[in-house]
Amino acid sequence: DIQMTQSPSTLSASVGDRVTITCRASQSISNWLAWYQQKPGKAPKLLIYKASTLESGVPSRFSGSGSGTEFTLTISSLQPDDFATYYCQQYYSYSPAFGQGTKVEI
Amino acid sequence: EEQLVESGGGLVQPGGSLRLSCAASGFTFSIYWMSWVRQAPGKGLEWVANIKQDGSEKYYVDSVKGRFTISRDNAKNSLYLQMNSLRAEDTAVYYCARVHVIAVAGWFDPWGQGTLVTVSS
Repeated sequence: DIQMTQSPSTLSASVGDRVTITCRASQSISNWLAWYQQKPGKAPKLLIYKASTLESGVPSRFSGSGSGTEFTLTISSLQPDDFATYYCQQYYSYSPAFGQGTKVEI
Repeated sequence: EEQLVESGGGLVQPGGSLRLSCAASGFTFSIYWMSWVRQAPGKGLEWVANIKQDGSEKYYVDSVKGRFTISRDNAKNSLYLQMNSLRAEDTAVYYCARVHVIAVAGWFDPWGQGTLVTVSS
């Protein structure tokens, strides 16, 4: 099975900061990667798919990059609504897998 | 509006069974793969099962193989998860999600609001 590892697990930041979250796959997954945002008590929300394609309606301050085994999610200027937990997910194999999550806190 | 609404969660004893349902609306249910994803309290997301449009292909995470069965009824725009031989470690919020499949799997969007399953004596 393909394992996904995110870093850091927790990230402390301030409004206006540029934030970068890294996701690494245990083997190459091409660009078959998605990113989600989850707030407490809510379902995850799709942000990015195919590693860098922004889902419709998602603010342009979010961006994704990478291919193969290393990927990043960047928030160019952190807003109050962005404090949440972020997950990456590979869909290269029949068994899709998520990273363990990165909590972005104040 | 595309919407998924889960139901059927609750408290069940270890070894017991439960059937989750997910009602889809606002999109053509029958042309999409569908999935169940779960999240244990305070933990991350874990994919549980996938089902093809016509139900002819189903995939499961190893930890539920032989115990859980995913199914669908396209006439009723509904997805199901039959859970047998439940264990404490199956305690989680269970989400249904539509899958945008590329090759063999895909990304999940939209998601339902989730239904809580608690396995405890």
